Amino acid sequence: DAGVTQTPRHEVAEKGQTIILKCEPVSGHNDLFWYRQTKIQGLELLSYFRSKSLMEDGGAFKDRFKAEMLNSSFSTLKIQPTEPKDSAVYLCASSFGGAETLYFGSGTRLTVL
Amino acid sequence: GQQVQQSPASLVLQEGENAELQCNFSSTATRLQWFYQHPGGRLVSLFYNPSGTKHTGRLTSTTVTNERRSSLHISSSQTTDSGTYFCAIASSSFSKLVFGQGTSLSVVP
Repeated sequence: DAGVTQTPRHEVAEKGQTIILKCEPVSGHNDLFWYRQTKIQGLELLSYFRSKSLMEDGGAFKDRFKAEMLNSSFSTLKIQPTEPKDSAVYLCASSFGGAETLYFGSGTRLTVL
Repeated sequence: GQQVQQSPASLVLQEGENAELQCNFSSTATRLQWFYQHPGGRLVSLFYNPSGTKHTGRLTSTTVTNERRSSLHISSSQTTDSGTYFCAIASSSFSKLVFGQGTSLSVVP
């Protein structure tokens, strides 16, 4: 059984570029989360989907960050335009329902120059 | 909103010593999970434990729901236990998991 798959593992972007990160949740899971991890801020929620519907977004991340869930087995996170302060590890996680264990992908390390 | 406080922020142990990591949260938790992260690695679930006590190997998680606290006990620590331990809480089955800042554990030989 495959876990959560994120691609790419590493991404380097110039300031102002558009980047798209990808996530495949565990098959059959209906909750999907995008988090951002930095040493200073820790883990911050970007978006939360249940059964492909957006349940919560990260408030402060609304203007340049857009997550979509095109089908139950694929999600994207678009950052447009990128800024150097967006450099972080972006994590995708999934679970089956709201009372189950959350599984994380390996993350995408984004560096914005 | 839900707030999660973990203590201590960091901890250094001699191999073989025990450790107790604490997690306190500000409102009712219907979902509570402990995670481990090796530097540069994936977050790995250790326990899903919104109430009661659970054991696996050298690890024990105890959550006292009405006191809004959870602990993670590591017995006979090993160097491979080094990394960061996170506690995460959700207030309902329809809300996000909020993470604490983590406890950084270093076990030295």
